[in-house]
Amino acid sequence: SYVLTQPPSVSEAPGKTATITCGGTNIGSKSVHWYQQKPGQAPVVVIFNDADRPSGIPERFSGSNSGNTASLTISRVEAGDEADYYCQIWESGSAHRVFGGGTKLTVL
Amino acid sequence: QVQLVESGGGVVQPGTSLTLPCAVSGFTIINYDMHWVRQAPGKGLEWVAVMSYDGINKYYADSVQDRFDISRDGSENRLYLQMNSLTIADTAIYYCARERGRGILDHWGHGALVTVSS
Repeated sequence: SYVLTQPPSVSEAPGKTATITCGGTNIGSKSVHWYQQKPGQAPVVVIFNDADRPSGIPERFSGSNSGNTASLTISRVEAGDEADYYCQIWESGSAHRVFGGGTKLTVL
Repeated sequence: QVQLVESGGGVVQPGTSLTLPCAVSGFTIINYDMHWVRQAPGKGLEWVAVMSYDGINKYYADSVQDRFDISRDGSENRLYLQMNSLTIADTAIYYCARERGRGILDHWGHGALVTVSS
């Protein structure tokens, strides 16, 4: 089955830019979605279809996807962005949905 | 207002069965693909199962294939996950979620904790 690989952790200082990667074979040919999960809460989609942002999600959140790597970029990082972030795709061949292992973003 | 509310969680012994309901309001489940996703304590998200909007197709993660069954009651607007032959590895928070298309899970419940322990 398809595997999505994320770094376990990313740290960044407030006001800086944090980038979280999601690796997968030819992931650029798939639509990637990103979820934010804060402790004790359900996940919330912050980016869908590689780079689209749901209403209510700050413009500081952006996404890209090419080749074997998709990325979630958070500009001007704030303390409130501290959370776990998961990438996810729909594997059309099997109809399975696949999550990456998750990345814990720490705001220093 | 969209709401998904899971219930039925608890502590069960290995080898037993449990069914989780997900009560939905704010939209009609027969118009959407509906999912179950789980999260073991301190671990990441794991997709479990999906039922297509037309009720025809069901797909399962390899880890639960042949043990779990996803179903729905359209008249009650409820989604279900029947879990059989439970093992300690099935201990997790179970979320139901709506898919808006292309795998995007845009609404989630708060989750139900299932603990499998002897």
